Amino acid sequence: EAQVTQNPRYLITVTGKKLTVTCSQNMNHEYMSWYRQDPGLGLRQIYYSMNVEVTDKGDVPEGYKVSRKEKRNFPLILESPSPNQTSLYFCASSLEPSVHGYTFGSGTRLTVV
Amino acid sequence: AQSVTQPDIHITVSEGASLELRCNYSYGATPYLFWYVQSPGQGLQLLLKYFSGDTLVQGIKGFEAEFKRSQSSFNLRKPSVHWSDAAEYFCAVEGSQGNLIFGKGTKLSVKP
Repeated sequence: EAQVTQNPRYLITVTGKKLTVTCSQNMNHEYMSWYRQDPGLGLRQIYYSMNVEVTDKGDVPEGYKVSRKEKRNFPLILESPSPNQTSLYFCASSLEPSVHGYTFGSGTRLTVV
Repeated sequence: AQSVTQPDIHITVSEGASLELRCNYSYGATPYLFWYVQSPGQGLQLLLKYFSGDTLVQGIKGFEAEFKRSQSSFNLRKPSVHWSDAAEYFCAVEGSQGNLIFGKGTKLSVKP
Protein backbone atom coordinates (compact mmCIF):
# COMPACT_ATOMS: atom_id res chain seq x y z
CA GLU A 1 0.00 0.00 0.00
CA ALA A 2 1.29 3.45 -0.96
CA GLN A 3 1.80 5.41 2.20
CA VAL A 4 3.79 7.83 4.32
CA THR A 5 4.75 6.35 7.67
CA GLN A 6 5.59 8.50 10.67
CA ASN A 7 6.85 7.32 14.01
CA PRO A 8 6.06 7.70 16.78
CA ARG A 9 2.37 8.67 16.72
CA TYR A 10 2.56 10.15 20.20
CA LEU A 11 5.56 11.44 22.14
CA ILE A 12 5.94 13.20 25.45
CA THR A 13 9.39 14.51 26.23
CA VAL A 14 11.17 16.98 28.45
CA THR A 15 12.71 20.29 27.49
CA GLY A 16 16.16 19.92 26.01
CA LYS A 17 16.12 16.20 25.33
CA LYS A 18 16.98 15.57 21.70
CA LEU A 19 14.44 13.64 19.68
CA THR A 20 13.89 12.43 16.15
CA VAL A 21 10.59 11.84 14.38
CA THR A 22 11.00 9.46 11.50
CA CYS A 23 9.22 9.66 8.16
CA SER A 24 9.35 7.13 5.36
CA GLN A 25 7.50 6.89 2.04
CA ASN A 26 7.25 3.97 -0.36
CA MET A 27 6.08 5.83 -3.47
CA ASN A 28 9.47 6.91 -4.83
CA HIS A 29 8.47 10.55 -4.35
CA GLU A 30 11.12 13.20 -4.77
CA TYR A 31 9.42 15.89 -2.68
CA MET A 32 9.07 15.49 1.05
CA SER A 33 8.01 18.03 3.61
CA TRP A 34 7.32 18.56 7.28
CA TYR A 35 4.41 20.63 8.55
CA ARG A 36 3.25 21.50 12.02
CA GLN A 37 -0.39 22.05 12.84
CA ASP A 38 -1.50 24.31 15.67
CA PRO A 39 -5.04 25.42 16.58
CA GLY A 40 -6.02 28.56 14.73
CA LEU A 41 -2.81 28.60 12.71
CA GLY A 42 -3.47 25.80 10.24
CA LEU A 43 -0.52 23.97 8.72
CA ARG A 44 2.82 25.68 8.54
CA GLN A 45 5.75 24.27 6.64
CA ILE A 46 8.91 23.58 8.64
CA TYR A 47 11.32 22.17 6.05
CA TYR A 48 11.06 20.58 2.65
CA SER A 49 13.24 18.56 0.35
CA MET A 50 13.10 18.39 -3.42
CA ASN A 51 15.48 15.46 -3.69
CA VAL A 52 18.22 13.54 -1.93
CA GLU A 53 20.69 15.84 -0.18
CA VAL A 54 18.57 18.89 -1.09
CA THR A 55 16.69 20.51 1.78
CA ASP A 56 15.38 24.00 2.38
CA LYS A 57 13.65 26.01 5.07
CA GLY A 58 9.94 26.51 5.12
CA ASP A 59 8.07 29.15 7.07
CA VAL A 60 8.92 28.02 10.62
CA PRO A 61 12.31 26.24 10.59
CA GLU A 62 13.71 27.57 13.87
CA GLY A 63 14.54 24.80 16.33
CA TYR A 64 14.34 22.01 13.77
CA LYS A 65 16.75 20.10 11.57
CA VAL A 66 16.17 17.64 8.76
CA SER A 67 18.24 15.36 6.58
CA ARG A 68 17.60 13.57 3.29
CA LYS A 69 20.25 10.94 2.87
CA GLU A 70 17.92 8.55 1.06
CA LYS A 71 14.95 9.22 -1.14
CA ARG A 72 12.47 7.40 1.05
CA ASN A 73 13.40 8.87 4.46
CA PHE A 74 13.09 12.41 5.80
CA PRO A 75 13.57 12.55 9.58
CA LEU A 76 12.74 15.62 11.64
CA ILE A 77 15.21 16.36 14.43
CA LEU A 78 14.61 18.54 17.46
CA GLU A 79 18.01 18.96 19.06
CA SER A 80 16.79 20.86 22.12
CA PRO A 81 12.99 20.76 22.24
CA SER A 82 11.11 23.54 23.98
CA PRO A 83 7.46 23.74 25.10
CA ASN A 84 6.57 25.98 22.13
CA GLN A 85 7.32 23.02 19.88
CA THR A 86 4.40 21.13 21.37
CA SER A 87 2.32 20.51 18.27
CA LEU A 88 0.93 18.01 15.79
CA TYR A 89 3.48 17.22 13.11
CA PHE A 90 2.82 15.87 9.64
CA CYS A 91 5.20 14.47 7.11
CA ALA A 92 4.12 14.59 3.47
CA SER A 93 5.48 13.47 0.14
CA SER A 94 4.73 14.03 -3.53
CA LEU A 95 6.04 13.59 -7.06
CA GLU A 96 5.31 17.29 -7.58
CA PRO A 97 3.19 19.03 -4.94
CA SER A 98 1.79 21.80 -7.11
CA VAL A 99 0.45 19.23 -9.57
CA HIS A 100 -0.38 16.17 -7.48
CA GLY A 101 -0.78 17.58 -4.01
CA TYR A 102 0.77 15.83 -1.05
CA THR A 103 0.24 12.40 0.50
CA PHE A 104 0.28 12.89 4.26
CA GLY A 105 1.34 10.67 7.11
CA SER A 106 -0.97 10.08 10.06
CA GLY A 107 0.76 12.65 12.24
CA THR A 108 2.89 12.76 15.38
CA ARG A 109 1.52 14.49 18.43
CA LEU A 110 4.46 15.89 20.37
CA THR A 111 4.25 17.29 23.88
CA VAL A 112 7.30 19.00 25.39
CA VAL A 113 7.09 19.58 29.14
CA ALA B 1 3.04 36.24 -2.16
CA GLN B 2 0.59 33.41 -2.45
CA SER B 3 -1.91 33.03 0.34
CA VAL B 4 -5.17 31.33 1.18
CA THR B 5 -7.98 32.62 3.35
CA GLN B 6 -10.73 30.50 4.79
CA PRO B 7 -13.09 33.03 6.35
CA ASP B 8 -15.11 30.58 8.43
CA ILE B 9 -13.39 28.99 11.41
CA HIS B 10 -16.33 26.78 12.35
CA ILE B 11 -19.55 25.88 10.54
CA THR B 12 -22.45 23.77 11.78
CA VAL B 13 -24.97 22.25 9.38
CA SER B 14 -27.79 19.78 9.81
CA GLU B 15 -27.44 16.33 8.37
CA GLY B 16 -28.94 16.28 4.88
CA ALA B 17 -28.48 20.00 4.37
CA SER B 18 -26.25 21.48 1.70
CA LEU B 19 -22.77 22.72 2.49
CA GLU B 20 -20.51 25.42 1.12
CA LEU B 21 -17.07 26.12 2.57
CA ARG B 22 -15.38 29.28 1.40
CA CYS B 23 -11.82 29.69 0.19
CA ASN B 24 -10.19 32.80 -1.24
CA TYR B 25 -6.70 32.80 -2.68
CA SER B 26 -4.08 35.30 -3.66
CA TYR B 27 -2.00 34.33 -6.67
CA GLY B 28 -0.57 36.10 -9.69
CA ALA B 29 -1.81 33.73 -12.36
CA THR B 30 -4.15 30.78 -12.61
CA PRO B 31 -3.24 28.75 -9.58
CA TYR B 32 -3.31 25.09 -8.79
CA LEU B 33 -5.84 24.72 -5.96
CA PHE B 34 -6.61 21.89 -3.59
CA TRP B 35 -9.08 20.90 -0.89
CA TYR B 36 -8.08 18.49 1.87
CA VAL B 37 -10.11 16.91 4.66
CA GLN B 38 -8.81 15.94 8.08
CA SER B 39 -10.99 13.60 10.11
CA PRO B 40 -10.43 13.60 13.88
CA GLY B 41 -7.12 11.98 14.76
CA GLN B 42 -6.21 11.42 11.13
CA GLY B 43 -3.89 12.86 8.54
CA LEU B 44 -5.03 14.95 5.62
CA GLN B 45 -6.74 13.38 2.63
CA LEU B 46 -6.99 15.01 -0.78
CA LEU B 47 -10.60 15.68 -1.76
CA LEU B 48 -10.07 17.37 -5.12
CA LYS B 49 -7.77 19.61 -7.11
CA TYR B 50 -8.06 22.23 -9.83
CA PHE B 51 -5.50 22.96 -12.53
CA SER B 52 -7.28 24.45 -15.51
CA GLY B 53 -10.20 23.83 -17.82
CA ASP B 54 -13.62 23.20 -16.34
CA THR B 55 -14.23 25.49 -13.42
CA LEU B 56 -16.36 22.90 -11.62
CA VAL B 57 -14.25 20.09 -10.22
CA GLN B 58 -15.59 16.82 -8.87
CA GLY B 59 -13.88 15.08 -6.00
CA ILE B 60 -14.24 12.11 -3.72
CA LYS B 61 -17.03 11.56 -1.17
CA GLY B 62 -19.52 13.57 -3.24
CA PHE B 63 -17.70 16.89 -2.93
CA GLU B 64 -17.24 19.45 -5.68
CA ALA B 65 -15.57 22.83 -5.91
CA GLU B 66 -15.99 25.76 -8.23
CA PHE B 67 -13.14 27.98 -9.35
CA LYS B 68 -14.14 31.61 -9.88
CA ARG B 69 -11.29 33.72 -11.16
CA SER B 70 -13.23 36.98 -10.88
CA GLN B 71 -13.76 36.39 -7.17
CA SER B 72 -10.42 34.64 -6.49
CA SER B 73 -12.45 31.88 -4.88
CA PHE B 74 -12.47 28.12 -4.83
CA ASN B 75 -15.45 27.14 -2.68
CA LEU B 76 -16.15 23.57 -1.67
CA ARG B 77 -19.71 22.26 -1.87
CA LYS B 78 -21.73 19.19 -1.10
CA PRO B 79 -25.48 18.87 -1.84
CA SER B 80 -26.33 16.74 1.21
CA VAL B 81 -24.08 16.43 4.23
CA HIS B 82 -23.67 13.16 6.12
CA TRP B 83 -22.67 12.87 9.78
CA SER B 84 -19.38 11.29 8.66
CA ASP B 85 -18.45 14.55 6.92
CA ALA B 86 -17.75 16.17 10.28
CA ALA B 87 -14.07 17.06 10.02
CA GLU B 88 -11.73 19.93 9.38
CA TYR B 89 -11.31 21.13 5.81
CA PHE B 90 -8.27 22.85 4.39
CA CYS B 91 -7.92 24.79 1.17
CA ALA B 92 -4.42 25.03 -0.36
CA VAL B 93 -2.71 26.85 -3.22
CA GLU B 94 0.60 26.11 -4.88
CA GLY B 95 3.50 28.06 -3.47
CA SER B 96 6.51 29.63 -5.15
CA GLN B 97 8.77 26.78 -4.04
CA GLY B 98 6.59 24.12 -5.63
CA ASN B 99 5.05 23.41 -2.25
CA LEU B 100 1.52 23.94 -0.96
CA ILE B 101 0.32 26.84 1.17
CA PHE B 102 -2.62 25.97 3.38
CA GLY B 103 -5.44 28.03 4.81
CA LYS B 104 -6.14 27.87 8.53
CA GLY B 105 -8.97 25.44 8.08
CA THR B 106 -12.72 25.30 8.62
CA LYS B 107 -14.11 22.92 11.17
CA LEU B 108 -17.41 21.35 10.13
CA SER B 109 -19.86 20.05 12.70
CA VAL B 110 -22.96 18.10 11.61
CA LYS B 111 -26.17 18.19 13.66
CA PRO B 112 -28.33 15.06 13.63
